[in-house]
Amino acid sequence: GENVEQHPSTLSVQEGDSAVIKCTYSDSASNYFPWYKQELGKGPQLIIDIRSNVGEKKDQRIAVTLNKTAKHFSLHITETQPEDSAVYFCAAKDDLSGGSNYKLTFGKGTLLTVNP
Amino acid sequence: KAGVTQTPRYLIKTRGQQVTLSCSPISGHRSVSWYQQTPGQGLQFLFEYFSETQRNKGNFPGRFSGRQFSNSRSEMNVSTLELGDSALYLCASSEGILYGYTFGSGTRLTVV
Repeated sequence: GENVEQHPSTLSVQEGDSAVIKCTYSDSASNYFPWYKQELGKGPQLIIDIRSNVGEKKDQRIAVTLNKTAKHFSLHITETQPEDSAVYFCAAKDDLSGGSNYKLTFGKGTLLTVNP
Repeated sequence: KAGVTQTPRYLIKTRGQQVTLSCSPISGHRSVSWYQQTPGQGLQFLFEYFSETQRNKGNFPGRFSGRQFSNSRSEMNVSTLELGDSALYLCASSEGILYGYTFGSGTRLTVV
């Protein structure tokens, strides 16, 4: 089955700096890669996603890049703000093969702290 | 649009008891998935339903079961609770394949 590794487990940055979180996946059939932000006491919230036919996607201060050959994808947050502090999860999913693949496989998460 | 609603938010049960958790997906979403979140294991997939059919099941013992109703609402049941079942149980809904998942706030289950 799919295995997703996420690094680093904790990341501390100063407000205004950039933050980068990296994930690798094992199943070359995976084609959908979402990123979730989870704040204390809440469920994960989808912040950006990318499919394997695209190499990069941006949404304001957030961007995701995907390298299918190397099987890794990254989340980039620019101009970080204290409200970006949360746990971030990457995930991978195979949308096309069906059967046992109707699930997201998550990384272990990254605790991002943005210091004012 | 209302989000994914999970009830109850908090639950305390005793070892050996059983528990039923409920999830109401976003209106129009026919796919409902369940995940268990613990500090040690992270987010782990339990099962996924689409139009009342279970399409996939994770590596959990048979004590964990679920179902989906015709209105897409879903329930999961855990029988003979163990201390290790203490976790945040998350439900996510989706319009289907090729669409993203929206998570609810979860049910915090504590087994004592």
